[in-house]
Parts: sequence; C-alpha cells; structure tokens
Amino acid sequence: DTAVSQTPKYLVTQMGNDKSIKCEQNLGHDTMYWYKQDSKKFLKIMFSYNNKELIINETVPNRFSPKSPDKAHLNLHINSLELGDSAVYFCASSPSPREKTPLHFGNGTRLTVT
Amino acid sequence: EDKVVQSPLSLVVHEGDTVTLNCSYEVTNFRSLLWYKQEKKAPTFLFMLTSSGIEKKSGRLSSILDKKELFSILNITATQTGDSAVYLCALRSSNTGKLIFGQGTTLQVKP
Repeated sequence: DTAVSQTPKYLVTQMGNDKSIKCEQNLGHDTMYWYKQDSKKFLKIMFSYNNKELIINETVPNRFSPKSPDKAHLNLHINSLELGDSAVYFCASSPSPREKTPLHFGNGTRLTVT
Repeated sequence: EDKVVQSPLSLVVHEGDTVTLNCSYEVTNFRSLLWYKQEKKAPTFLFMLTSSGIEKKSGRLSSILDKKELFSILNITATQTGDSAVYLCALRSSNTGKLIFGQGTTLQVKP
C-alpha cells in the first residue's frame, strides 16, 4: 500500500516535448508538494497545494504547471522541455501546511531530457 | 532568506565507527527541523525536532537541536553498511509549511 505514488518512475524525452507526471496520495492529507532534486541531491520546493488551492509557487518557469483535480492528486505538466529540466521530481504530502508533522515523499520520477 | 547548511558534504567511515552530521540554519520563523535519510528512492523521515536540548533517539540514531546557536546534529553509533545514504536536514517555516533542505551529507560506511 504505497502512501504517495508517482507515475511514471522514469521518463526519457526529447527537448521541446510536453510531458506530465502524476501523483496520488492515500493518506487523507490536505497538502501536497512538488520538489525537484538536482544531480547534487539538492531538494528544492516548486509548488504546494492545500485542498486544491495553490499556496506555494516558487520561482519556477511558466513551462511548469501544477494541477490538483482533488486533494488526493497533484499532477505536474511541463511544456517545451529543456535539458536543464533533467532531475528527479518528488511528490510529497502532509496533513496540513501548519501542523508539525513530517512530509511523506513518493519514490520520485527521474526525468531525462535529451 | 531562510537557509540550511549541512556539513560535512560527504563522509567515509568503517563499520562500527560513530559519526556526527551537522546542520546549521538561518530562519525568520522557526517551526521545526527535520532529518531524513535518502537511499535510492524517497527520503524517509527520521526525526522532527521542535525544542532545544531534547534528544530524540531511535536505535543507533539520535538527534538534538540547539535553537539558541541555530544548529542540530545527527549521531549514528556503531555504523553499519546499511547506514550508507544521503542524510538530509530540513527546516520547516511557519508561514506555508514548506521544507527548506540543506545540501545533504553523503555517508558511506565501508565493511
């Protein structure tokens, strides 16, 4: 029973393409996040949604667009992929933005742009 | 700007050694500090610290927070090869709950 699941696990695509990564959590959490981990293992927040409402939108190119159809799902769509988008993208969830509880992470999606 | 700095960036030890990983931070509105272990996939939660001076312990791992000096340490005693991983320190701010991560410490434990 995977708590936070992402698909696909691996994504290899060419520059200029558009791709989506899906995330679902079955923990009943209200808040979901997208993080990007670069080749140096540095994890950086991209977006966060609380109950389908965007609450964090870091300095991320407009080519990245999150969508939350309901509080259990947060998808990430990337337009016009660039080489620099290659990274591991992690989805995470937590009960709320304010509670002192840890984030639960998915297993990541390794995106390679060629 | 809120910031987390971990040291060392990498560490190689032998089984049985004790290691101490450091995490210092700058924050305007502290809520909690978290430690995660990342092997090949998802970061997995180890500890969450909110108060100074109270040690959290789980088996051979322990952690403590000093809110006056703005740092935390993660100790691992009697290391095993299975402890090899990237250890991530993260700060949770009170406004939005986002986690701000440090660069991580890559620990390699040799047999």
